[in-house]
Amino acid sequence: RKEVEQDPGPFNVPEGATVAFNCTYSNSASQSFFWYRQDCRKEPKLLMSVYSSGNEDGRFTAQLNRASQYISLLIRDSKLSDSATYLCVVNMDTGRRALTFGSGTRLQVQP
Amino acid sequence: DAMVIQNPRYQVTQFGKPVTLSCSQTLNHNVMYWYQQKSSQAPKLLFHYYDKDFNNEADTPDNFQSRRPNTSFCFLDIRSPGLGDAAMYLCATTLGGGFYHEQYFGPGTRLTVT
Repeated sequence: RKEVEQDPGPFNVPEGATVAFNCTYSNSASQSFFWYRQDCRKEPKLLMSVYSSGNEDGRFTAQLNRASQYISLLIRDSKLSDSATYLCVVNMDTGRRALTFGSGTRLQVQP
Repeated sequence: DAMVIQNPRYQVTQFGKPVTLSCSQTLNHNVMYWYQQKSSQAPKLLFHYYDKDFNNEADTPDNFQSRRPNTSFCFLDIRSPGLGDAAMYLCATTLGGGFYHEQYFGPGTRLTVT
């Protein structure tokens, strides 16, 4: 089983749609969680951190379910510019100071 | 603007010919990372420096080495590149301490091995 698992997609959605991505992680002791966005042939960039209570940033909402070891990202009112790969990222071991990346879910928003 | 810079952006090397990739940062972060990313795969951590302390991942081949002469610079040396080493190499930095390790990535160096 992968340490961080995501549906690779692609998710093809029309502009204005709501789309949700899910991610599961294997280490129940994981401490911090993030969603990164990566455009084609570019570096990953932080989209948002994920907090225990859930958090929202504009059209983006992230949720964490520790009991199920599950993270989600919801994008409302999709824009063409949202087309990218979304990486689920977990800090699995604070002693290691390293992040574990999922292989990403690709989103294509169509006009 | 404070940032993470990688040079070169594109590197072509021959099979077996040593190559060095460089990373510099103006963020004054004490932790620097090197990742390898192949197409449609997750970034794979090769190693990282916490200050001057070098931390190698268990599955990083000996062919990959790193140097950090000062806080701002970090180098990735590939001693004898193979065809399987063709990938995007990403440098990232973070400020060590605490749980929430947001990492800032450079634009990457795309390595081609001929």
